[in-house]
Amino acid sequence: DGGITQSPKYLFRKEGQNVTLSCEQNLNHDAMYWYRQDPGQGLRLIYYSQIVNDFQKGDIAEGYSVSREKKESFPLTVTSAQKNPTAFYLCASSKAALRETQYFGPGTRLLVL
Amino acid sequence: AQKITQTQPGMFVQEKEAVTLDCTYDTSDQSYGLFWYKQPSSGEMIFLIYQGSYDEQNATEGRYSLNFQKARKSANLVISASQLGDSAMYFCAMRGPSNDYKLSFGAGTTVTVRA
Repeated sequence: DGGITQSPKYLFRKEGQNVTLSCEQNLNHDAMYWYRQDPGQGLRLIYYSQIVNDFQKGDIAEGYSVSREKKESFPLTVTSAQKNPTAFYLCASSKAALRETQYFGPGTRLLVL
Repeated sequence: AQKITQTQPGMFVQEKEAVTLDCTYDTSDQSYGLFWYKQPSSGEMIFLIYQGSYDEQNATEGRYSLNFQKARKSANLVISASQLGDSAMYFCAMRGPSNDYKLSFGAGTTVTVRA
């Protein structure tokens, strides 16, 4: 089945530690996105990539980094510079056209120990 | 800049009744797309319905319909014959060229269906 997978489902981070969230899609989509969601709030865009080896900052990129070496994969690293990383992280992908829908993965919940 | 406003933080609806979720938007784009997503307590975001700015008819998908009023910049979601499984958070979103085709989300509306 085609879809988007995210791992792990839950992730615990210690102070000063970098952690990486995985996002893989087999939908042959060009564009991929990372969002952060805080409790009871909407989604905020962290980073997005429209083609391989290229990505742009979203609205809240500070403290995060990404790479896009393969079309299928768009990992997100939460660095130690992100002082309040506890949140729900959602990855999405879409074809690169106006009418195309973004489809989301199941999400990763990041908690700070 | 694009902005999405959902003014209803929470709503209660009786099972089998219809419910309307409000969404207004602001954009300078002529061509844009509007989306509604459902987020149950599990956290996944489920795509429900799409409306293009040049679409002449209101979008419908099963029990979901979109009341699109372009002049008022309004894109309300109507859920007919509510079911207990409709209890979730609902987000309105839009994308357009002025925002590099990224999705901009509203704050969401929580719907609770009562038996």
